[in-house]
Amino acid sequence: GENVEQHPSTLSVQEGDSAVIKCTYSDSASNYFPWYKQELGKRPQLIIDIRSNVGEKKDQRIAVTLNKTAKHFSLHITETQPEDSAVYFCAALYSSASKIIFGSGTRLSIRP
Amino acid sequence: DGGITQSPKYLFRKEGQNVTLSCEQNLNHDAMYWYRQDPGQGLRLIYYSQIVNDFQKGDIAEGYSVSREKKESFPLTVTSAQKNPTAFYLCASRWGGGATDQPQHFGDGTRLSIL
Repeated sequence: GENVEQHPSTLSVQEGDSAVIKCTYSDSASNYFPWYKQELGKRPQLIIDIRSNVGEKKDQRIAVTLNKTAKHFSLHITETQPEDSAVYFCAALYSSASKIIFGSGTRLSIRP
Repeated sequence: DGGITQSPKYLFRKEGQNVTLSCEQNLNHDAMYWYRQDPGQGLRLIYYSQIVNDFQKGDIAEGYSVSREKKESFPLTVTSAQKNPTAFYLCASRWGGGATDQPQHFGDGTRLSIL
């Protein structure tokens, strides 16, 4: 079925260290994978996305990698800062059903 | 995103009452979506629509209804059949719809509570 699994559910890292969040998806036809950041009480905001024709994409301190064979993708945040504290959601576009399915979220906390 | 407007920001429902949440977008997006988010949880898809006058059920459609009479509007009605409606409701839209590899843009949400 349509499913996106996300790990870990909570993550605490020291300020300045790196954080990695991993997701797996079930539909081999999925071709688009966005990542969203949601601060408390706010709407999710797109921070980076990757399409199936590339294996990696980087935007300043944020990078996403995609392994289509293994059907998993990861978010990497380097040099973490206090403002990185939030809940992060991965998602996958299930083209057969034309809908975007979200992972369960990772609550990232940055320790000063 | 300034192009998606949800109203009201807060809504209270009495027992046995139907309430309607508004979602309007001026982004000329084809597809629109409704998600429910419970405290500390992820986003669960209620309904989505790819074109005017057409919509599909998501994973938790029971107790909800929608309409898509205009491209820019996708209202969600929470009926009295939804026994546990307290949640944060998010509307989203996306250019192209279907298998188009474009992101969703979200409104600021409506927080619904039971009186």
